[in-house]
Amino acid sequence: GENVEQHPSTLSVQEGDSAVIKCTYSDSASNYFPWYKQELGKRPQLIIDIRSNVGEKKDQRIAVTLNKTAKHFSLHITETQPEDSAVYFCAASKGSASKIIFGSGTRLSIRP
Amino acid sequence: DVKVTQSSRYLVKRTGEKVFLECVQDMDHENMFWYRQDPGLGLRLIYFSYDVKMKEKGDIPEGYSVSREKKERFSLILESASTNQTSMYLCATTGTGAQHFGDGTRLSIL
Repeated sequence: GENVEQHPSTLSVQEGDSAVIKCTYSDSASNYFPWYKQELGKRPQLIIDIRSNVGEKKDQRIAVTLNKTAKHFSLHITETQPEDSAVYFCAASKGSASKIIFGSGTRLSIRP
Repeated sequence: DVKVTQSSRYLVKRTGEKVFLECVQDMDHENMFWYRQDPGLGLRLIYFSYDVKMKEKGDIPEGYSVSREKKERFSLILESASTNQTSMYLCATTGTGAQHFGDGTRLSIL
């Protein structure tokens, strides 16, 4: 069945360094790839998304890359700050109105 | 801004009880979803609905049912609660873009 694998499960980086989270998906028909950030005790919130007709998208310190051939997509956070500490989820779907399959999450900690 | 409201933040019930979790959205979205979130397992889809009175099973529907009598309301039902259903439950809705989540209901079954 459809599956999204996410790595690593935990990540600790020094403040100011970059963080990278990687995901792979199994269904080649997937064409929409959102990323969510969930702070402790709060709801998941969309931080960036990418569609299959685009290879890269950037929003300030956050960027996402997509390799459709390899079925990989990644989240890059540059110049990390303490407020970046959270759990991050990648996801994939076959369209914005379709069900979304989530990865298992990455707990990112930023060391001062 | 999309608002997704779940009826309770915290709920404690006993084994064997019938439990109702309610979710209401204010954006006239057709698609609504119920997830369960457990540490290390991410968000797992229980049921979803594309329209009123329509429902489809997600990845872990066993022990659950749903009801969508009105477009804005999607209810999750635990027919006979068991301790392994202790979890965080998240409702979500989507229009043409990403999903919008409620604050979640932390359900404990004793």
